[in-house]
Amino acid sequence: EAQVTQNPRYLITVTGKKLTVTCSQNMNHEYMSWYRQDPGLGLRQIYYSMNVEVTDKGDVPEGYKVSRKEKRNFPLILESPSPNQTSLYFCASSPTPATNEKLFFGSGTQLSVL
Amino acid sequence: GENVEQHPSTLSVQEGDSAVIKCTYSDSASNYFPWYKQELGKRPQLIIDIRSNVGEKKDQRIAVTLNKTAKHFSLHITETQPEDSAVYFCAARKSSASKIIFGSGTRLSIRP
Repeated sequence: EAQVTQNPRYLITVTGKKLTVTCSQNMNHEYMSWYRQDPGLGLRQIYYSMNVEVTDKGDVPEGYKVSRKEKRNFPLILESPSPNQTSLYFCASSPTPATNEKLFFGSGTQLSVL
Repeated sequence: GENVEQHPSTLSVQEGDSAVIKCTYSDSASNYFPWYKQELGKRPQLIIDIRSNVGEKKDQRIAVTLNKTAKHFSLHITETQPEDSAVYFCAARKSSASKIIFGSGTRLSIRP
């Protein structure tokens, strides 16, 4: 089944403890992206990747890191989480970045930073 | 950069009535306008999209209209049903850009 898989689904952590949210897609998509969803603010892009080893900042990249060593994986890293990073996170992918195609979203990760 | 504004933030309609959600965008170069639906606890999913070379697109009870001159586009849902209850996001993108900008979302509730 074609899908975007995120893990974990829920995560509670403490300030300063490094964490990684994994994202994997099995559709051979070139484009992958991370969003955070906060009430009243919609979906805001954190980082995106046009292809392997090509990443760039979105609108709210501060406090986050990403890597794209393989086409299928695009992990989101929080080196030193803070309470303002408590949010619902979505990974998404699409076949290519150059055309207007729909985004396939993962199931989301609800992160709470205490 | 592109900015997308979405209204209203919440909308409650009687089952069977129509619902309309409106969005405006700032970048006249934007040429792709998708709408995503997010049911409670679920991931956003594309329900309809429109490109700038057309003014209207329909898919059963859902339609989207685009006014390029005024830089606004709208989602129309007719004969609303309980399963239409969800958060709806509009978005805009231009071909030369690598990112899509989302509106802030509309929570639609269908009253029985």
